[in-house]
Amino acid sequence: QSALTQPASVSGSPGQSITISCTGTSSDVGGYDYVSWYQQHPGKAPKLMIYEVTNRPSGLSNRFSGSKSGNTASLTISGLQAEDEAEYFCISYTRSDTLVFGSGTKVTVL
Amino acid sequence: QLQLQESGPGLVKPSETLSLTCSVSGGSFRSSSYKWGWIRQSPGKGLEWIGSINYSGNTYHNPSLKSRVIMSVNTSKNQFSLKLTSVTAADTAVYYCARHDNGGWFDPWGQGTLVTVSS
Repeated sequence: QSALTQPASVSGSPGQSITISCTGTSSDVGGYDYVSWYQQHPGKAPKLMIYEVTNRPSGLSNRFSGSKSGNTASLTISGLQAEDEAEYFCISYTRSDTLVFGSGTKVTVL
Repeated sequence: QLQLQESGPGLVKPSETLSLTCSVSGGSFRSSSYKWGWIRQSPGKGLEWIGSINYSGNTYHNPSLKSRVIMSVNTSKNQFSLKLTSVTAADTAVYYCARHDNGGWFDPWGQGTLVTVSS
């Protein structure tokens, strides 16, 4: 199972919006609404940001939103803040009843 | 608030068995709504799902590791465990445990534990 494709890096200035893509196939991202997104700061455990493509965990800032079109899921961060600088990765359920991870995207706040 | 904590040796010799335990506190361990999962993160391979187990002991595996993975659960202690046999340097990674929702997401995660395979 190949990793889901994410851009290696995305950057933006404070206050701007950025979007991170997560591209798979019809056997994973495109076939199911079971895509989740995570934020990971260096040396820390990953934190769930979005589940089932569009849902935010309780208490999470509404600056984070998720969507999907075809075989590509996306995470959008609006009103970019310095604390958003981190690694982000996606996970998708697959037709083989397994999970596949994204390659990870480093977000830099300029 | 649900919390998970990994424990186990930080150094394992090649060809031996890696053994980790995850202790769960602050929430329900027995539920049909989720499983308990293991994920690892290495510089060379990124993040990789190892497998998951539910409170009844039913297991779900990453096919690429299935032949070397043994998972178990101890409901009396609210713990679940991972054994990875015949380890090599490629198994060096930070190992995380996490609650694995049936919808496929992981939340929360333990803090992670670094396991190094070296003689």
